[in-house]
Amino acid sequence: EVQLEESGGGLVQPGGSLRLSCVASGFTFSNYWMSWVRQVPGKGLEWVANMKQDGSETYYADPVRGRFTISRDNAKNSLNLQMSSLRVEDTAVYYCAREVLPNPWSTMGYLDSWGQGTLVTVSS
Amino acid sequence: IQMTQSPSTLSASVGDRVTITCRASQNIKTWLAWYQQKPGKAPKLLIYKASTLESGVPSRFNGSGSGTEFILTIDSLQPDDFATYYCQQYDLYWSSFGQGTELEIK
Repeated sequence: EVQLEESGGGLVQPGGSLRLSCVASGFTFSNYWMSWVRQVPGKGLEWVANMKQDGSETYYADPVRGRFTISRDNAKNSLNLQMSSLRVEDTAVYYCAREVLPNPWSTMGYLDSWGQGTLVTVSS
Repeated sequence: IQMTQSPSTLSASVGDRVTITCRASQNIKTWLAWYQQKPGKAPKLLIYKASTLESGVPSRFNGSGSGTEFILTIDSLQPDDFATYYCQQYDLYWSSFGQGTELEIK
């Protein structure tokens, strides 16, 4: 059974930093692209970033580019999101998700497994 | 790419057939997925590539469309189907979701 478990959320002040982690199990982590998606409580879903299997390609949504860094450690089956210069509008539940790309030259795919999410609150 | 879903809220009864529309601001071919989300839970994949049913998803869920207009149809609504539904495009160097359609019990 595919399992994804996020951790690292919490309360942080504007301008601060936070590192989220996601540990995967039940599948060969190094075979999959992985994504982060966030959701402001009560609002819709927003794709944040994704990373190729070997870490050689990463893509970011405009609101987080330059402030967030996605990374992975295939030996530890883990995906990370380093968030810096945090803003009030970054407050959300952050999900990690396994991504399936439609063909070898794609850079985006659909998300077939999700973690339960971790809440990040940016507030003074 | 902007994804626009309609309606934002849909009231229906058990046994009804409902349709949710998702429009893309540009041609995304068939690179579209549909998700179901219940309160406090992570989204669940229903359909990918516009019309391919994810394994384990009941056959009353049906997706169609290509280009810029897509439809999710749910036949014979069951109590478990009342939730929020999102479309997602995955065509280019970023992904984006529709704003969601809340399906509520009439």
